[in-house]
Amino acid sequence: AQKVTQAQTEISVVEKEDVTLDCVYETRDTTYYLFWYKQPPSGELVFLIRRNSFDEQNEISGRYSWNFQKSTSSFNFTITASQVVDSAVYFCALSEEGNGNQFYFGTGTSLTVIP
Amino acid sequence: DAGVTQSPTHLIKTRGQQVTLRCSPKSGHDTVSWYQQALGQGPQFIFQYYEEEERQRGNFPDRFSGHQFPNYSSELNVNALLLGDSALYLCASSPRGTWAGNTIYFGEGSWLTVV
Repeated sequence: AQKVTQAQTEISVVEKEDVTLDCVYETRDTTYYLFWYKQPPSGELVFLIRRNSFDEQNEISGRYSWNFQKSTSSFNFTITASQVVDSAVYFCALSEEGNGNQFYFGTGTSLTVIP
Repeated sequence: DAGVTQSPTHLIKTRGQQVTLRCSPKSGHDTVSWYQQALGQGPQFIFQYYEEEERQRGNFPDRFSGHQFPNYSSELNVNALLLGDSALYLCASSPRGTWAGNTIYFGEGSWLTVV
């Protein structure tokens, strides 16, 4: 079974629009960690954020915000006032206390911001 | 402060051959993980090395092996290459061993094409 599901394969938005990338996860561990990474065409995955399972506080960093809801097992990522530089593939990932530092990644969402 | 560095960046191998990929972790990091990312997919965990030992392994055959050196750098070896091994191989490093909450930082990867 897929531990991390990113149902949106591709999204296109016009510059300055807001966009939300969905992430749904599945785990039986009570302690776990959720991550978002950005992958530009160069290939390197760039770390964006980490949340632990005990901290449901939403987080905002500039134009980026994250909504963590344990009740729906979701960890969604919103970009406000999108820019062309936001175009990339975004991955959500999960690590579980019972599985050490092994990351389970979703299949990614390819975001294209049109100028 | 150097990030994670990988070599080579691109290589082409023939089916049945063997390949060795190399990784130097980010300064201050002692743990190295390897991931395979097929085209259009999320990264898949291969294994993780800490204190020169393989600590965890994903669902990959024994053809995939690795090594970690005393300076924390690492190698990934793949024997008897198959066409399906064509992928981007990503190295990631982290501090503090195999704790699930560690953030892992990626290199730009090695693109392997098997023909």
